[in-house]
Amino acid sequence: DTEVTQTPKHLVMGMTNKKSLKCEQHMGHRAMYWYKQKAKKPPELMFVYSYEKLSINESVPSRFSPECPNSSLLNLHLHALQPEDSALYLCASSQDGVRTSGAGELFFGEGSRLTVL
Amino acid sequence: GDSVTQMEGPVTLSEEAFLTINCTYTATGYPSLFWYVQYPGEGLQLLLKATKADDKGSNKGFEATYRKETTSFHLEKGSVQVSDSAVYFCALSVYYGNNRLAFGKGNQVVVIP
Repeated sequence: DTEVTQTPKHLVMGMTNKKSLKCEQHMGHRAMYWYKQKAKKPPELMFVYSYEKLSINESVPSRFSPECPNSSLLNLHLHALQPEDSALYLCASSQDGVRTSGAGELFFGEGSRLTVL
Repeated sequence: GDSVTQMEGPVTLSEEAFLTINCTYTATGYPSLFWYVQYPGEGLQLLLKATKADDKGSNKGFEATYRKETTSFHLEKGSVQVSDSAVYFCALSVYYGNNRLAFGKGNQVVVIP
């Protein structure tokens, strides 16, 4: 199983709503990532979890709250978002941080397309 | 800091034409280099990779060689198909305790029948 599964695929929410994006992988990877991608742009890193601990927060606004309940799951909780937060949110995973032949290779999910009204 | 530069603008070409997308990089360490592809409406897929100088990555008829002397990792395919229409991102990773990827801006490739 080499898949990263993200749900939902599409989400429409109002600015006062609370919603969550979910990500799951069963490859035994110990690093998981959230990226945000606007149309026609490269993905931008938001958060990195390594061994279930938050290791990188790229100065993301607090209306985005990540959670890693276990090594296979990654959530992104959304609250009081703005229309400019509308984007494709990509989850990814990779082997742990040890420099092996697979180091740096990220496996991406299909993404959750978020629209904030 | 670490960065990747891709050639500007979309690439439009006819089926069976030769494709080249240029990618150069700047890195302080010893990066691994990647090409990712994003088909319309989908996430990113790893197309190929190279982890040290002079390595050649290849997949689905695409190739790229890690050139340390020119700090380049250009993507090539000898005969493109309509199904190769996608956005292609060059990326690098240098281990700093986490596998942070630095992406280029991406190139939209459109293959016309």
